Amino acid sequence: GAVVSQHPSWVICKSGTSVKIECRSLDFQATTMFWYRQFPKQSLMLMATSNEGSKATYEQGVEKDKFLINHASLTLSTLTVTSAHPEDSSFYICSARVTEAFFGQGTRLTVV
Amino acid sequence: SQQGEEDPQALSIQEGENATMNCSYKTSINNLQWYRQNSGRGLVHLILIRSNEREKHSGRLRVTLDTSKKSSSLLITASRAADTASYFCATRLIQGAQKLVFGQGTRLTINP
Repeated sequence: GAVVSQHPSWVICKSGTSVKIECRSLDFQATTMFWYRQFPKQSLMLMATSNEGSKATYEQGVEKDKFLINHASLTLSTLTVTSAHPEDSSFYICSARVTEAFFGQGTRLTVV
Repeated sequence: SQQGEEDPQALSIQEGENATMNCSYKTSINNLQWYRQNSGRGLVHLILIRSNEREKHSGRLRVTLDTSKKSSSLLITASRAADTASYFCATRLIQGAQKLVFGQGTRLTINP
């Protein structure tokens, strides 16, 4: 089946630094990818829809300057958390496709 | 905002028993999907049921959909310890952006 690979699986960074998370579709092309955030024992909250070759569409309440999304190719979308703060610590997951979506393994971000 | 609500939020049963999880949603949907998430991992697609379908089976999984009540249920028969995970329903809306909206999830624990 289709595979979505996310990297890194976990990252610890200092407050104020930026962190980039990659999401790759390994065996199919994805013109659209989705970025979610998940707090412990909670559901997935859609942050933004990443569109290849155009600007991402952000959900209400998500700061686009804080969470930069780049979808430069049909197989790669990146999420950069800029000037990270401890409250940005969370589990970030990407996915591709809306019907029978395929998810990356997730990235555990800890900002200290 | 969350489209779906699931109950129970947590369920603990003995191995071999059946587990039933319910999902309710608010607006008209194109389809409803169930996903499984092991702790700290990405989501895995389990089953999709379209709005014109009432019941669907896949192995030990049985999903029902009642569009008049805007609800769905996931039944796992003959549960196994390996079924321990969180289970989420997700809906694809008829109108609006191409995205999935997730329910709150049910944390299922199968005791050996």
